[in-house]
Amino acid sequence: KAGVTQTPRYLIKTRGQQVTLSCSPISGHRSVSWYQQTPGQGLQFLFEYFSETQRNKGNFPGRFSGRQFSNSRSEMNVSTLELGDSALYLCASSLEPGLGTEAFFGQGTRLTVV
Amino acid sequence: DAKTTQPPSMDCAEGRAANLPCNHSTISGNEYVYWYRQIHSQGPQYIIHGLKNNETNEMASLIITEDRKSSTLILPHATLRDTAVYYCIVRVAGLYGSSNTGKLIFGQGTTLQVKP
Repeated sequence: KAGVTQTPRYLIKTRGQQVTLSCSPISGHRSVSWYQQTPGQGLQFLFEYFSETQRNKGNFPGRFSGRQFSNSRSEMNVSTLELGDSALYLCASSLEPGLGTEAFFGQGTRLTVV
Repeated sequence: DAKTTQPPSMDCAEGRAANLPCNHSTISGNEYVYWYRQIHSQGPQYIIHGLKNNETNEMASLIITEDRKSSTLILPHATLRDTAVYYCIVRVAGLYGSSNTGKLIFGQGTTLQVKP
């Protein structure tokens, strides 16, 4: 059974550009969450999607957005990139955001903004 | 979601049991205790979770105190590959359709160093 797949693994972008990251959850998993990890702030929740609907959103500016498709794959977009957006972006999938289900993480996308 | 407190770092000798404590004194009745670990530059890995009973799986055991205000993750025979940051998280796990059921709030975790 394939794990959570995130693409690309590494990305270098320039300030002001926009970026789209992709996450394919484990087959059968319908819930996808996104996290940002930086040395200063640690792991922070970005948003959660289930059945193509955003169920929860973290405390991030509107430049950060996401979506989920009917096959449960998810994308997140960051517009007008800032140097501070350099981070490891992690995606986690779970069966559904229900009782006691565990989340499985991908390897992440390392984004560097220059 | 309840806040957790963990020691920033711990050492353990290879082959010995590693006992990682976590305080969650404000935990609510519908919040589970989850443990994840993150090996350098990889995504967090799920270890175990529980509500009020002790739990054991192939990776670890989770001991939750009767008042649920603290818990201990036990790695029975630590190896060098268990060196990682360990996160204790309490999470609302309500019924399908309720909010806040997928979100994980990570603290700073405990850096466990297993030494030969």
